[in-house]
Amino acid sequence: QVQLVESGGGVVKPGRSLRLSCAASGFTFSTYGMHWVRQAPGKGPEWVAVISHDGSNRYYADSVRGQFTISRDNSKNTLYLQMNSLSAEDTAVYYCAKDLVRYNTGWSFDYWGQGTLVTVSS
Amino acid sequence: QSALTQPASVSGSPGQSITISCTGSYSDIGGYNYVSWYQQHPGKAPKLMIYDVTYRPSGVSNRFSGSKSGNTASLTISGLQAEDEADYFCSSYISNTTPYVFGTGTKVTVL
Repeated sequence: QVQLVESGGGVVKPGRSLRLSCAASGFTFSTYGMHWVRQAPGKGPEWVAVISHDGSNRYYADSVRGQFTISRDNSKNTLYLQMNSLSAEDTAVYYCAKDLVRYNTGWSFDYWGQGTLVTVSS
Repeated sequence: QSALTQPASVSGSPGQSITISCTGSYSDIGGYNYVSWYQQHPGKAPKLMIYDVTYRPSGVSNRFSGSKSGNTASLTISGLQAEDEADYFCSSYISNTTPYVFGTGTKVTVL
């Protein structure tokens, strides 16, 4: 069965960096695009970034472009999100999510991880 | 980027049908068929209920159905059950520098 397990969250001071990981299993990771979605406390989800199945294409939300970097290691079945210059506005649960469509971006997420909480606070 | 607009809350009695609307524009819902709906119970990750406007993933009850007219998408839940009580979010691809947007969310209450 498909499993996505995020890690790397925690409490970090403003201005610092953090790298999230998402370990995937139960499907052929290298054939699906992957997304990061975040959800601030009490708010709705916010799409953050997507990376194509082979890592050749990456797209970001305006709110994180230039600050966050999405990447993947298909040999390790792992997705990453490098987050720099963090501020309180980045406090949220961060989910990795699998795209529904193989080899393309279908813009639907059929499997989600359990999420990892990032708290930016001094 | 503005979120898609949903009613804050919708309620219904067990067995009834309810419909949740999701209003966008020609650059998102009106221009593409990449509309999805997600169900989220408290403390849980969202779950995909509808994709590409009308399609149900395997395992999702056929009590859930989706549609679209112009710039507005809708999710209908028929035969409402207690387990349907949750938050529901629509989402869509959007022709913009941020290519994907979620709705404001609707809390469904089963009376």
